[in-house]
Amino acid sequence: GAGVSQSPSNKVTEKGKDVELRCDPISGHTALYWYRQSLGQGLEFLIYFQGNSAPDKSGLPSDRFSAERTGGSVSTLTIQRTQQEDSAVYLCASSQRRKLAENPTGELFFGEGSRLTVL
Amino acid sequence: AQKITQTQPGMFVQEKEAVTLDCTYDTSDQSYGLFWYKQPSSGEMIFLIYQGSYDEQNATEGRYSLNFQKARKSANLVISASQLGDSAMYFCAMRDGRGGAQKLVFGQGTRLTINP
Repeated sequence: GAGVSQSPSNKVTEKGKDVELRCDPISGHTALYWYRQSLGQGLEFLIYFQGNSAPDKSGLPSDRFSAERTGGSVSTLTIQRTQQEDSAVYLCASSQRRKLAENPTGELFFGEGSRLTVL
Repeated sequence: AQKITQTQPGMFVQEKEAVTLDCTYDTSDQSYGLFWYKQPSSGEMIFLIYQGSYDEQNATEGRYSLNFQKARKSANLVISASQLGDSAMYFCAMRDGRGGAQKLVFGQGTRLTINP
């Protein structure tokens, strides 16, 4: 499809297990973002990749969280030793590099999210 | 650091009325961008409207307009002639950084309910 694709759409796991969430951005988009949305809450920034630059990891809540982006395209968010407070919807988004003339807004295009439930 | 504040957790409006959703922001940057997104119960995030800090006119997109008051650091979303399908969560967001950096910082959202 033409949009941002995320998998799995739903994941139920037991406390202490590791999980991997995948994001396939829109083709040609150089920027990729991960956000977390707890029930009824706003979006919490986790990590941001832009091209070949070092990622902005400033939003990762603990060292149990990590993400990588291979070949400038697909990204995987990994949560190790999951805790119940990790339960949330994890949203991935991508965007084109903002250039004032060509892409003045630089808006993010979101996937449908991966709902993680930690029992 | 940038911060977005949405003070209305919930709003209830009659169909066909106009509604204003409040958003204030805090930044020390001179160049920034402000966004509004809609999130229906299905969970998808839908981009509605954008306002650049140097744009001289308020942004408009169909029934959506952005009341941008730079001195007050507010960027309220106005929806005219509300429809039942407008019921959703609405998030205000600011682009953190300048140039190619495009990280968005989001507010806590406002849940809008349109009553028939």
